[in-house]
Amino acid sequence: SQELEQSPQSLIVQEGKNLTINCTSSKTLYGLYWYKQKYGEGLIFLMMLQKGGEEKSHEKITAKLDEKKQQSSLHITASQPSHAGIYLCGADTFGGAQKLVFGQGTRLTINP
Amino acid sequence: GAVVSQHPSRVICKSGTSVKIECRSLDFQATTMFWYRQFPKQSLMLMATSNEGSKATYEQGVEKDKFLINHASLTLSTLTVTSAHPEDSSFYICSARGQTDTQYFGPGTRLTVL
Repeated sequence: SQELEQSPQSLIVQEGKNLTINCTSSKTLYGLYWYKQKYGEGLIFLMMLQKGGEEKSHEKITAKLDEKKQQSSLHITASQPSHAGIYLCGADTFGGAQKLVFGQGTRLTINP
Repeated sequence: GAVVSQHPSRVICKSGTSVKIECRSLDFQATTMFWYRQFPKQSLMLMATSNEGSKATYEQGVEKDKFLINHASLTLSTLTVTSAHPEDSSFYICSARGQTDTQYFGPGTRLTVL
């Protein structure tokens, strides 16, 4: 079965610092999705990566997918309090986002 | 665009009653909708996948008679928790997928069964 490991499980950084969250799959992926969740709320779609070596950026968040399509990283530059939350990676192992398996999440805290 | 709503956002019910949760795609047609369950401080677990006009596909270990799913239109799917018990208390989140390969999530429904 598909396993998705996220690291670290929790992260506390000083405002303004950079940080990276990793997501590793046991299988080659059709796609890798990054979402952000605030406690008790739904998931906000951040980015989708489908091609090996692909990199996407939105504002201060950059996501990359390795060439083998088994590992992804999410990098936040100059973190702000608004970046705090739970980041989840979702793996598409069937194609077409028909079924996503999620990592356990990374809880990010930004200290002022 | 790609907004998904859920109703209600919170529900408290007595043990033995049934609860219906609605999931709507507001600005796109969702060919497929998904229902997830999330326990505190844990990740999402897929419960079932529903396609408009056909029966839902349930994940292993999810009782289909307990969690009834109806996807009657391209913008609405409902999850009914039948004869709810305290162990059914959880955060239920739906997602909807349209023409693109992306699932958009609703805000979730917190169910508390007393």
